[in-house]
Amino acid sequence: QSALTQPPSVSGAPGQRVTISCTGSSSNIGAGYDVHWYQQLPGTAPKLLIYGNNNRPSGVPDRFSGSKSGTSASLAISGLQAEDEADYYCQSYDGSLSVSLFGGGTKLTVL
Amino acid sequence: EVQLVESGGGLVQPGGSLRLSCAASGFTFSSYWMSWVRQAPGKGLEWVANIKQDGSEKYYVDSVKGRFTISRDNAKNSLYLQMNSLRAEDTAVYYCATFSSAWRRFDYWGQGALVTVSS
Repeated sequence: QSALTQPPSVSGAPGQRVTISCTGSSSNIGAGYDVHWYQQLPGTAPKLLIYGNNNRPSGVPDRFSGSKSGTSASLAISGLQAEDEADYYCQSYDGSLSVSLFGGGTKLTVL
Repeated sequence: EVQLVESGGGLVQPGGSLRLSCAASGFTFSSYWMSWVRQAPGKGLEWVANIKQDGSEKYYVDSVKGRFTISRDNAKNSLYLQMNSLRAEDTAVYYCATFSSAWRRFDYWGQGALVTVSS
């Protein structure tokens, strides 16, 4: 069981908007540590998608956005496209455990 | 272009040892913290270890402390993971990644090396 909790799966039709939640605790997200999101396309390595809660690295479409509030964070994907079908992971730091933590991952299916 | 290429994976018996390597190019390797992150088959990501630019600081997840050793050779632009006393639960794809200590994030990832621990 991960210290950061994500829904196992979400789905949406092309063009729709979906959100993926990431729930932590007072020792990680709630302590003010940044949340980062990674996209893992089938059979490939993870790729940094959102960093520092709501920042996109160069080359990431603005259809992807992040937010954080209290002990939780969210990834939103608007204008869903078939190529967005992937696993998405949130990541933060836990000050009590002194470790980098990942969420369990969420599989996005584009219907 | 940043490139990270892992090698050294394979099949090993429980209790055995294996050494992973990661060859880095396209960036100033000696200026970056580096990490190993693993992913068991069909499972999520798990951070394994970090090493500072000059190798003076190393951090490990509890489950590998005393068994795994992270190291680097800046002259060879290479990162290593020595894995001893391997267990079935260490079976995973092992990724090397650059680590931003300021953001505590993993910026660039290699393609991964599969380690299978089985008799």
